[in-house]
Amino acid sequence: EPEVTQTPSHQVTQMGQEVILRCVPISNHLYFYWYRQILGQKVEFLVSFYNNEISEKSEIFDDQFSVERPDGSNFTLKIRSTKLEDSAMYFCASSVFKNQPQHFGDGTRLSIL
Amino acid sequence: GESVGLHLPTLSVQEGDNSIINCAYSNSASDYFIWYKQESGKGPQFIIDIRSNMDKRQGQRVTVLLNKTVKHLSLQIAATQPGDSAVYFCAENIPTPNYGGSQGNLIFGKGTKLSVKP
Repeated sequence: EPEVTQTPSHQVTQMGQEVILRCVPISNHLYFYWYRQILGQKVEFLVSFYNNEISEKSEIFDDQFSVERPDGSNFTLKIRSTKLEDSAMYFCASSVFKNQPQHFGDGTRLSIL
Repeated sequence: GESVGLHLPTLSVQEGDNSIINCAYSNSASDYFIWYKQESGKGPQFIIDIRSNMDKRQGQRVTVLLNKTVKHLSLQIAATQPGDSAVYFCAENIPTPNYGGSQGNLIFGKGTKLSVKP
């Protein structure tokens, strides 16, 4: 069964550094998403992406964040000048179209020191 | 404020019994709902979805009920098995007019932990 894959599984970074989280969505899916889950809290929406542009973004997704689909398979989340509070699990998801089931990867645990 | 919430943070059931996990949502404009299962160290796994024009949908051993009158969603698991032990999340989608209607972003509840005793 096709699945969303994310790398790395765990990323440790010094505060102030930039990180890039990578995702390979399911191949025939057109909508891509990033969510985050701070330890012990709810899963929170960050951004959705369709047709090579952002469809929607939450208040969390400020100028520190950016997304890109650099080629036909990868979907990346870049976090510039990381802060301690950016420590969380970051999940990538994809769906065939909007309002269709979103399938999630197993996440990247980001730890900011 | 919190749009999606769960009545029971933990639920313990005996193997073979039926489980019911509940979810309350506050936004009457929500048009799409999903239940996810999350096991330790893994991402949310899709279980079943339902649209606002339906009140019941059945899958394999699972049933989702939607009561729009009281803004309530439930997940019923028949003949619960030890492999069903996990955290279960409900999630809703609220249409966002500023973005030309719903783009699919989900709002998640906090989750209910289901423990199945053998």
